[in-house]
Amino acid sequence: DAGVIQSPRHEVTEMGQEVTLRCKPISGHDYLFWYRQTMMRGLELLIYFNNNVPIDDSGMPEDRFSAKMPNASFSTLKIQPSEPRDSAVYFCASSFKSYEQYFGPGTRLTVT
Amino acid sequence: RKEVEQDPGPFNVPEGATVAFNCTYSNSASQSFFWYRQDCRKEPKLLMSVYSSGNEDGRFTAQLNRASQYISLLIRDSKLSDSATYLCVGAFSGSARQLTFGSGTQLTVLP
Repeated sequence: DAGVIQSPRHEVTEMGQEVTLRCKPISGHDYLFWYRQTMMRGLELLIYFNNNVPIDDSGMPEDRFSAKMPNASFSTLKIQPSEPRDSAVYFCASSFKSYEQYFGPGTRLTVT
Repeated sequence: RKEVEQDPGPFNVPEGATVAFNCTYSNSASQSFFWYRQDCRKEPKLLMSVYSSGNEDGRFTAQLNRASQYISLLIRDSKLSDSATYLCVGAFSGSARQLTFGSGTQLTVLP
């Protein structure tokens, strides 16, 4: 079975550029989560969706960050404009009617 | 203060040793707790859930003490492959399906 799929796996971009991260959750899962992980702050929840509807975006750092889930099999996290402090590993995770979350391999973002 | 706090380590133990990790949480309105494992440059994966009565999965034993707001993970007969970061995770009331992760405890098992 395919797990959570994320793309790209690595992204290097210059400050000010737009960055789009993509996620395909496990088929049939009704929750999707976006996390950011850094050495300083650990794993932080940015936003999560239930049945494609955003439930809590209080973790989104600022207006430069936006997330969408147009259908049950696809979500995007966009940063515009990107800044060096956005450099981190971004994980997408999904779950189905339980607290067990399955994580994707992550996107390692470097903003120079 | 973080909702879930862990000793970051690192813990360096010889193969075959028993090692214990501790975790405290500040939100008493807690529902469920878990231990996740994260290998270097990989994604977190669920290791085990933590029940009030304590639970065991092979060499791993998890305990929850709600009175002290304290969670533990015990690894017996540690293997080289146990080297990873162990994340203490809580699910708190009113946060449907939302997990709060501790910063993790790094374990290295030495040959």
